[in-house]
Order: sequence, then C-alpha cells, then structure tokens
Amino acid sequence: GAGVSQTPSNKVTEKGKYVELRCDPISGHTALYWYRQSLGQGPEFLIYFQGTGAADDSGLPNDRFFAVRPEGSVSTLKIQRTERGDSAVYLCASSLTGFGAYGYTFGSGTRLTVV
Amino acid sequence: KQEVTQIPAALSVPEGENLVLNCSFTDSAIYNLQWFRQDPGKGLTSLLLIQSSQREQTSGRLNASLDKSSGRSTLYIAASQPGDSATYLCAVNNNNDMRFGAGTRLTVKP
Repeated sequence: GAGVSQTPSNKVTEKGKYVELRCDPISGHTALYWYRQSLGQGPEFLIYFQGTGAADDSGLPNDRFFAVRPEGSVSTLKIQRTERGDSAVYLCASSLTGFGAYGYTFGSGTRLTVV
Repeated sequence: KQEVTQIPAALSVPEGENLVLNCSFTDSAIYNLQWFRQDPGKGLTSLLLIQSSQREQTSGRLNASLDKSSGRSTLYIAASQPGDSATYLCAVNNNNDMRFGAGTRLTVKP
C-alpha cells in the first residue's frame, strides 16, 4: 500500500479482555516496528521484526504482550488480560530495509482505551 | 542506553518568526536521525532524515542540522505559519534501536 495502515483506529475494551491490533506496512518493506506512546511522551519501542522473525522484542513490557508477523508483511500486536495502564496509542512503523537506513514511516496509530 | 532530550518542551511564537528546536542525545554512535511532526491525535509524519555522515538536510522552510560528535541536532523553521503548530519529535537511530525525545509542542499564533 501507499502508507502504513493500522486498524482499528480506536479500540475501547474492558479490563481483562484480549485485544488484537493490526499493522499493514508499506509493500516491500522488510522491517516492521511497534511503538507505544503515552500522553505527552515520545513513542517507546516495543518490538522489531525483520521479515517474519522478531529480531528484538526487548521493549515488550511483560508476557501479556505478544506480536506476530507470520508472512513477513502484516503484523498483529496481541495484548492479553488488558489493564488500564495499557491505555495508550500504539504506533506501527515500517522501513525498506533493516537498520532504518531509509528512515521509518509510521501509521496513524491505534488508540487503545482500557476501561 | 540512548537518551534523547528535546528543548524547549513547549514554544509559542507569533506568525512569521524564525525558530529553532533543539535535540540532544547521549550516544554519538548513531546511524541516522529523523525529525517527525505529530498533530494532535494523529500519527507521525516524517520531515527530515539525516544520515550520520551528513551535516544537514533541507526541505522547504525546514532545515535540520546534525553535530554527531557533540550529540546535537537542531530543526530550524523559517517564516513560521499557524499551520506549523504541532508537536515536533526527534528520533535517534542506533542500528534499529530508535529512541525518541518527548517532543516540542509548537504553537504559532496568527
């Protein structure tokens, strides 16, 4: 596609529920990144994929968070047993190659609200 | 661990002024640095990408400089307009580890 697409744009869920957030990167981009942004803060790194594999998942806050990219294109961020502290904007970015040599392109984000 | 700081946190200027936003980082072994714009409730729009070997990049009224050895970058906006009002984020890339500053919230008053 022309840009990075994230769905849904907004998600409200009840505490304890499971949610999935989807990212469709720019076609041909091999690298994909997930970030989380809290109000008034810069984005914080969660996980990076090169192709199908998670090359760096050191930013995932705990084992309730998991992400996949089974075919090296679309990625899904999964959050189990959601907590109110998970409320944030989840941003996805893609890059043509690894190491972000050509810069990162971000999607519009998914605003997650846990009530 | 790379630390990125942006100063000032907020800035309000009258239309037409030239202004400078500052970004500093602690680890100078960077791959590249990227400036983004973020409008309220929106995603990040890339403004300028500076590779570690470059000193500056320009796009229209925007000019970004990089002094890697001192760990600094500046974003210069010429002849500011109300439409420039947004949050500007600096992001430093250390081999796929991209760290962001907290941003500078810019308001340009008509």
